[in-house]
Amino acid sequence: DIQLTQSPSFLSASVGDRVTITCRASQGISSYLAWYQQKPGKAPKLLIYAASTLQSGVPSRFSGSGSGTEFTLTISSLQPEDFATYYCQQLNSYPPFGGGTKVEIK
Amino acid sequence: EVQLVESGGGLVQPGGSLKLSCAASGFTFSGSAMHWVRQASGKGLEWVGRIRSKANSYATAYAASVKGRFTISRDDSKNTAYLQMNSLKTEDTAVYYCTTDTAMAYAFDIWGQGTMVTVSS
Repeated sequence: DIQLTQSPSFLSASVGDRVTITCRASQGISSYLAWYQQKPGKAPKLLIYAASTLQSGVPSRFSGSGSGTEFTLTISSLQPEDFATYYCQQLNSYPPFGGGTKVEIK
Repeated sequence: EVQLVESGGGLVQPGGSLKLSCAASGFTFSGSAMHWVRQASGKGLEWVGRIRSKANSYATAYAASVKGRFTISRDDSKNTAYLQMNSLKTEDTAVYYCTTDTAMAYAFDIWGQGTMVTVSS
């Protein structure tokens, strides 16, 4: 099994801040990593796939990078609608999801 | 419109059974693997299992926490996937989502709205 570890698990930030979330895989997964945003009471929304490809319709302030075992999701300038929980995910093996990072307003 | 719509959730007693449905539209359902993901209140996302397409022999896989109790099936003629849940436990209480990877990008690009399952006496 491949485990994904996200850090931090909780993040307090202000509007306009640059935010970085890290996801580490217990084994190499090439670039098979995706990022999701989830707001309370809603289904997750795909932001980035293949580690760095922005899903259609997602604002360009979101970006992803990394390969192998270490990946990052960056929000270049945090907006009010970005306060949510973020998950990384791989589909090389199961279980696929990281534990999540909750981004809250400072 | 590309969408997934779950149904069948509700309240069930421990040890009971429930069958969830996931109706798909707007994409080639028969060619897509279908996954179920659940989320307990205040917790993270937990993958439940998946069923592959006919071309991949309808192969199924399950999380260890549900293996032997849950069964995923599909009816390509109805564009619908199912999650049969037996021997339910209180810890199975969660919102259940169906999801799929229509772009074959190793990522879930389409999600349903979720259906709530509560296991309680």
